Formats: sequence, C-alpha cells, structure tokens
Amino acid sequence: QKEVEQDPGPLSVPEGAIVSLNCTYSNSAFQYFMWYRQYSRKGPELLMYTYSSGNKEDGRFTAQVDKSSKYISLFIRDSQPSDSATYLCAMTPNTGTASKLTFGTGTRLQVTL
Amino acid sequence: DGGITQSPKYLFRKEGQNVTLSCEQNLNHDAMYWYRQDPGQGLRLIYYSQIVNDFQKGDIAEGYSVSREKKESFPLTVTSAQKNPTAFYLCASSRERGNIQYFGAGTRLSVL
Repeated sequence: QKEVEQDPGPLSVPEGAIVSLNCTYSNSAFQYFMWYRQYSRKGPELLMYTYSSGNKEDGRFTAQVDKSSKYISLFIRDSQPSDSATYLCAMTPNTGTASKLTFGTGTRLQVTL
Repeated sequence: DGGITQSPKYLFRKEGQNVTLSCEQNLNHDAMYWYRQDPGQGLRLIYYSQIVNDFQKGDIAEGYSVSREKKESFPLTVTSAQKNPTAFYLCASSRERGNIQYFGAGTRLSVL
C-alpha cells in the first residue's frame, strides 16, 4: 500500500463548478502538506502549503487538512479552463534536514467550457 | 528572474550511452533534488543534495549518478546501467531539505 493515495482521475467538470481534490495518507507523522499544480509537459508549481490540521484559503483555492482522518483536500471555486492540469499532493513529517517529500500520483482535472 | 533552469528540454539516448541532464538554480537554495516522473507513478526521488560536495541516494538511484561541485548546479547522469531511462526528469531545490520544493520545467528523456 502506498503511503499517499490519490485518485488519478481524470475528473471533468464544467466551468464555474466547485472542484474537490483529495489525498489520503497512512503516515501519522506527516505534518506539512502541499498542493502542486502541473500543466502538461511542465514542472509542478506550488499552490498551497499548510501545517498540521485546519484550513487555508488563497483566492479561489482552499486547502483543508484533517489529521485525525489522515485526509487532505484542495477545493477550487469558480473553476476555469485554465485550471485544467494535474494536481499533486505532497507531504512531509517536518522541515529541516531529516525529512523528504512524499508525493501522491496526481489527479488530472479538466474544466470544460 | 530567480528560478531553476533545466536543459535540454528534450534528450535522446542511444543504447549504451551515458547522458547528462543539467540543473541550475539562482535561488541561493542549499538543497537540490532529482525526481523521475512516469505515468501513474507520481514523482520518485533519485538523488538529493543538502550541501556542496555531498549527496545521498533516493528511492531509485540505481543507474544514475550526480555531482554537486557548486551550490547552483546539480547535474544528473543517466548511465547505460539504467535499462528503462525513458521518463520525465524533474529537478527541484529548497532552502533546506524537506522544506517547500520549487521545480524546474523538466527534461524529457527518450531512448532511440
């Protein structure tokens, strides 16, 4: 079983919809959680970075962490065709020299007109 | 502009050939990483380096080699021992290991 599970999709939604992307994980030591967006044939770019449990909002994006359930989510409001990309979750036990990032396999999102 | 530059964008390898992928960063980051991305498998760590002249193997280091002679540069060599080198290779850097990682645009390697 992988440490981080992520539904590969593809997930297709109409423009303007609310999108929910999710990851589950098994390692209770994970403390820092990230969401990256990757366009086709490009490198991942950081979208959201959260520590421990709770919500964080940035524009149309909201990241949610539920450590008790080992479950993280990324919500995209008013989705746009430009949001069509693969979304990767990543997590680590702590920052500093003793940890590394563990990535999900990515969810491919398509926002249609 | 600060960032991570990977070159070339596309690379082709012949049988038995070693090829080197370049990664340069001007973010003054201490740590650098190489990942391999295959469809359906996510990012897998090949090598990482926390400081100059020091690097460690990641999860899939066999058939790869790296050097870190300068803080800004972390080249990856795909050797002939790597039997399945076709993949998208991503270089990343962070202020320290485990912190937020920033990625380059990637190099797509194919076998002729």
